[in-house]
Amino acid sequence: NAGVTQTPKFQVLKTGQSMTLQCAQDMNHEYMSWYRQDPGMGLRLIHYSVGAGITDQGEVPNGYNVSRSTTEDFPLRLLSAAPSQTSVYFCASSYTTGLYNEQFFGPGTRLTVL
Amino acid sequence: DAKTTQPNSMESNEEEPVHLPCNHSTISGTDYIHWYRQLPSQGPEYVIHGLTSNVNNRMASLAIAEDRKSSTLILHRATLRDAAVYYCILRIVGAAGNKLTFGGGTRVLVKP
Repeated sequence: NAGVTQTPKFQVLKTGQSMTLQCAQDMNHEYMSWYRQDPGMGLRLIHYSVGAGITDQGEVPNGYNVSRSTTEDFPLRLLSAAPSQTSVYFCASSYTTGLYNEQFFGPGTRLTVL
Repeated sequence: DAKTTQPNSMESNEEEPVHLPCNHSTISGTDYIHWYRQLPSQGPEYVIHGLTSNVNNRMASLAIAEDRKSSTLILHRATLRDAAVYYCILRIVGAAGNKLTFGGGTRVLVKP
């Protein structure tokens, strides 16, 4: 299994540009989520999905959209990039939403918005 | 969200045990205690979790106080590869999105 994969690894955008961060998992996990990590801080939840066709907002959803058309893929869209969205973005998945389940994280996408 | 408190940093010598404390005095009876670690320039990695009893796995041990208001992650023989930020996290019933609430964590430095 490849686990959780993310592309691209690095991206530089100009203010106002849009882009999609890709996330895929091959473990047949129901639950997927996106976090952002700003320098020197812990991770904050952006959006999450408990299954194909179901998404919901986390604690910092503004400026981001998600969709979950398949179990495997959970892309994160930046609608109009802003410098405040400069961060490292991590995608995570777990088998179910159970509190005892471990979450598997991807390697991250480092995004810089100029 | 229930809060956890961890020291900012700890140092250890290679091949010695490391005890990482975590206080969670507002924990409720159904909250799970999880530990994740984040190696430099990588995503977080699950380490261990527990509810009431002490737990062991190939990576570490988790000792949970009887009143559950604190816990300790034990790395039995630290290696240079264990240098990372370790996060103590409470998994809370009903938390939006099954989220992991990351605090500041403890940065572990392992000296050769």
